[in-house]
Amino acid sequence: DSGVTQTPKHLITATGQRVTLRCSPRSGDLSVYWYQQSLDQGLQFLIQYYNGEERAKGNILERFSAQQFPDLHSELNLSSLELGDSALYFCASSLGQGVYEQYFGPGTRLTVT
Amino acid sequence: GDSVTQMEGPVTLSEEAFLTINCTYTATGYPSLFWYVQYPGEGLQLLLKATKADDKGSNKGFEATYRKETTSFHLEKGSVQVSDSAVYFCALRATADGLTFGKGTHLIIQP
Repeated sequence: DSGVTQTPKHLITATGQRVTLRCSPRSGDLSVYWYQQSLDQGLQFLIQYYNGEERAKGNILERFSAQQFPDLHSELNLSSLELGDSALYFCASSLGQGVYEQYFGPGTRLTVT
Repeated sequence: GDSVTQMEGPVTLSEEAFLTINCTYTATGYPSLFWYVQYPGEGLQLLLKATKADDKGSNKGFEATYRKETTSFHLEKGSVQVSDSAVYFCALRATADGLTFGKGTHLIIQP
């Protein structure tokens, strides 16, 4: 158990809908990262937050957004969903911004039908 | 941009065999290198890491050495067990951004 929690575990929704994925980092960690794992693209970094502020962006679509709240939990919002958005979404947390170890949550499996 | 290349497999070995999973990378600067393992239905777990050239990371019998001259970070284990069956990801981090992962190598160990 990494100490990172993600909810829900599974999510099934229809095209065009909007969903919110939630992540609680390990106690004491200030950075949160979101990753997408799909069969065709592999594991891709989406976005990073540090202590409530966006710090880095990877291959995140404009339909996707995220935020980190004062209690340090984070939410990833996915809108206008397409079939191709079906994937495993992982959250990871680390102590700070540098090359600290990232601890991964169990993931949320999103299925868009 | 940064990239990681690793054999995708599946790699099938018998128990107690020697394991090598190759990983090469392209990055600017001096990245830190990682091996993560993903067991079925679970998230990624850090297996080992190396933060500078010639560093050797090791954990649970697995080893990998950061080779700057060949831009490689091959994963090795002397004697694999059935419980080592999983997907192994090589990754790098060159900046303060997120990790860049390889495609993953599916390892199957047969008793």
